[in-house]
Amino acid sequence: DIQLTQSPSFLSAFVGGRVTITCRASQDIGSYLAWYQQKPGKAPRLLVYAASTLPSGVPSRFSGSGSGTDFTLTISSLQPEDFATYYCQQLEKYTFGQGTKLDI
Amino acid sequence: QVQLVQSGAEVKKPGASVKVSCKASGYPFTGYYVHWVRQAPGQGLEWMGRINPSGGTTTYSQNFQGRVTMTRDTSTSTVYMELSSLRSEDTAVYYCARLSVAVTLYGMDVWGQGTTVTVSS
Repeated sequence: DIQLTQSPSFLSAFVGGRVTITCRASQDIGSYLAWYQQKPGKAPRLLVYAASTLPSGVPSRFSGSGSGTDFTLTISSLQPEDFATYYCQQLEKYTFGQGTKLDI
Repeated sequence: QVQLVQSGAEVKKPGASVKVSCKASGYPFTGYYVHWVRQAPGQGLEWMGRINPSGGTTTYSQNFQGRVTMTRDTSTSTVYMELSSLRSEDTAVYYCARLSVAVTLYGMDVWGQGTTVTVSS
C-alpha cells in the first residue's frame, strides 16, 4: 500500500503569513496527488489536483508543487478563512495523509 | 447545480448494518466514480472504496473488504454504501464524493454533506 506522510501535524501561523505543508509518498506516484481543505463540521474541499493545478474558484494564494514522492502545499498571505485542516491524497489508491491542522 | 445529497443520520446497535444513500444531480451520473470516505470523531479521512456507476464495478479498501457493499441505481442516480457487522469504531461521518472516470488526476471535486452514523448499544 502507498503511504502518505504529512508534516507538520500542527502548524501555527498568523494572518498575512506564509506556510508550507509537505506530503511524502512511500513510492513514486507521479503527479497523482490532490490537496483538500476541511473546516470543522464540513466536507473536504478540493484545493489542488494533479499536484499543482488549482480548480476554478480556488484563490491564487494557494499553490501546489512536486512530483514523484515529495509534494508541498503553500499558502501565501494567509487569510482568516484559511485556518483549517489540510489533507493530501494520492489518486492511485486514494489513501490520505494524516492531516495538518493550521491554527492561528 | 452539481451536487451529491446524502441520507440522514443513523443510530445503530453493534452487529447491525447501515445503508447510506448518495443522490447525484446536475451532471452525467455515469461519467464519475463515486467514492466513500469516512471520518471518525477527531480523526482524519479514511478511504473506503468506490463504485463505477456505469457498470457497477467496485473497488474496496482492504480495511473494509467483506463488510462493505456499494451499489447503484441508475434510474435515480443514487449510490448506496452498506456497512455490516457494525462496531463502536465505525461511529463516524460518512461522505460520498465524485471523481472523474476519464481523468482520475482531477481529484474529488464534489462531496456530499456527510452522514453521521453512530454505533451504540
